[in-house]
Amino acid sequence: QKEVEQNSGPLSVPEGAIASLNCTYSDRGSQSFFWYRQYSGKSPELIMFIYSNGDKEDGRFTAQLNKASQYVSLLIRDSQPSDSATYLCAVNRDSSNTGKLIFGQGTTLQVKP
Amino acid sequence: EPEVTQTPSHQVTQMGQEVILRCVPISNHLYFYWYRQILGQKVEFLVSFYNNEISEKSEIFDDQFSVERPDGSNFTLKIRSTKLEDSAMYFCASDPGSTSYEQYFGPGTRLTVT
Repeated sequence: QKEVEQNSGPLSVPEGAIASLNCTYSDRGSQSFFWYRQYSGKSPELIMFIYSNGDKEDGRFTAQLNKASQYVSLLIRDSQPSDSATYLCAVNRDSSNTGKLIFGQGTTLQVKP
Repeated sequence: EPEVTQTPSHQVTQMGQEVILRCVPISNHLYFYWYRQILGQKVEFLVSFYNNEISEKSEIFDDQFSVERPDGSNFTLKIRSTKLEDSAMYFCASDPGSTSYEQYFGPGTRLTVT
């Protein structure tokens, strides 16, 4: 079982729609959850982090965490072509205590004009 | 806005040679990391560094790898004898030391071993 699992996609949505990206993780002790955006050939860029169950909103982005289901998601409202990128889910384990992030494979999002 | 910087952006080296990848973390950040990403694969943790010592390292980070913070600003990754399979993007990241471990990545160094 992969530690952090994402559907590789591509997920294709029309401009202006809501894009929903999902991630599951295997370690129940995981405490902090991160969404990074990575454009082709570039480095990961931190979009949001969440560590409490529920929703966290920042502009057009909403992160949702459900620890009981070991599930974290990212919603992007009013998707723009510039949002086209690979979205990486990353998890920090409670037992780590060193900041080590475990990344998923990433989901490629395509926003079509 | 403060950023993590890395040099060089691209390094080409021959198998068996030593390379040093350099990073300047965000000022006042306390935790520093190296990750790598082989082309088409996921980002992998290599090492974390805090208070001038390694706090965790992965199984990838064997005796050929070392890290150093030689002064108050630089953070380096050395690979003593490079192998073909070391070819990857190497990312440095830093973290302000909050409990959430939010990490900010540098632009990366593309290492090509021939």
